[in-house]
Amino acid sequence: EPEVTQTPSHQVTQMGQEVILRCVPISNHLYFYWYRQILGQKVEFLVSFYNNEISEKSEIFDDQFSVERPDGSNFTLKIRSTKLEDSAMYFCASSDLPPPQPQHFGDGTRLSIL
Amino acid sequence: DQQVKQNSPSLSVQEGRISILNCDYTNSMFDYFLWYKKYPAEGPTFLISISSIKDKNEDGRFTVFLNKSAKHLSLHIVPSQPGDSAVYFCAASDGGATNKLIFGTGTLLAVQP
Repeated sequence: EPEVTQTPSHQVTQMGQEVILRCVPISNHLYFYWYRQILGQKVEFLVSFYNNEISEKSEIFDDQFSVERPDGSNFTLKIRSTKLEDSAMYFCASSDLPPPQPQHFGDGTRLSIL
Repeated sequence: DQQVKQNSPSLSVQEGRISILNCDYTNSMFDYFLWYKKYPAEGPTFLISISSIKDKNEDGRFTVFLNKSAKHLSLHIVPSQPGDSAVYFCAASDGGATNKLIFGTGTLLAVQP
């Protein structure tokens, strides 16, 4: 069964450094998402991406965040200057159509900011 | 922001019995609801969904019920199995162009053999 893959599984970074989280969505999917889950809290929407542009972003997704689909298979989330509060589990998701098609999630990248 | 709430942080059920997980929402614009299951160190896995135009959707052992007037949905698992032990998340979408999901806090289900 096709799946969303994320790398790395765990990223440790010094505060202030840039980090890039990588995702390979399911190949025929058209809609891409990033979510995050801070330890002990809800899974929160960050950004959605369709047709090579951001379709919606949350208030969390400030100027320090960016997304890119550099080729036909990868979808990346960049944090330019990490803060301690960016420490969280970051999940990539994709779907081939809007509702009722569900989003399929990767196993996440645990980002630890020191 | 408490648009989707799961008031029970945990639930323990005997194998073979019914598990009922509950979810409440506040936004009447939500028109599509999903349940995801999550094991430790894995991402959420889609289980079952329901559109707001329906009140029930069934898939094998899993049934989701939607009560729009009460803004409440529930997931029934019958019969429960030890492999069902996981965190269950309720999520909602307003069906807009972006299809973003709003998640509840999750319920940890433990199915005892």
